[in-house]
Amino acid sequence: KNQVEQSPQSLIILEGKNCTLQCNYTVSPFSNLRWYKQDTGRGPVSLTIMTFSENTKSNGRYTATLDADTKQSSLHITASQLSDSASYICVVSARSAGKSTFGDGTTLTVKP
Amino acid sequence: NAGVTQTPKFQVLKTGQSMTLQCAQDMNHEYMSWYRQDPGMGLRLIHYSVGAGITDQGEVPNGYNVSRSTTEDFPLRLLSAAPSQTSVYFCASSFGQGAEKLFFGSGTQLSVL
Repeated sequence: KNQVEQSPQSLIILEGKNCTLQCNYTVSPFSNLRWYKQDTGRGPVSLTIMTFSENTKSNGRYTATLDADTKQSSLHITASQLSDSASYICVVSARSAGKSTFGDGTTLTVKP
Repeated sequence: NAGVTQTPKFQVLKTGQSMTLQCAQDMNHEYMSWYRQDPGMGLRLIHYSVGAGITDQGEVPNGYNVSRSTTEDFPLRLLSAAPSQTSVYFCASSFGQGAEKLFFGSGTQLSVL
């Protein structure tokens, strides 16, 4: 069964600090891995998309890495801001059409 | 360009009532999908469509119906609401077959009493 496991479940950091969120998956055959940010009360918004051949992708202060051999991804947030407080969701797609596997998300709280 | 529009934003139903959650997108996306999100859990796929006239079941389809008569619209019907259907519902669309970047609506908070 395709699975996506995210850790930690929740994280609290101080404004200005860096943090790294983890995503492990067993989806096969792998197509791509996406990170989304979901603010409270809103729909998820795409941050990055990585295919098999990409091992790093950046979007401003967000940098995602992918190790397709170990089936692991991480999302690194640099110089955190209060607005980074949100849930971060890892989504992995297989090459079959129509369905993606969602992780349960990591809830990040940035405190002043 | 409004993106993905969901209505209503909030809804309260009594057990046994039926209703339709509306979803429309103006990006000419072929793929549309419905998810539910329960507290502390990830998004779970209810139904999806890869084009007008084509729908398929996701992970948790029981109690829900969908249809796709146009590219733009993908309504979700609750036939006989149950308290277990209390959740936040999200509609999403994408260019391809669902393995590309998803664009999400703002969600519908549904409570079934």
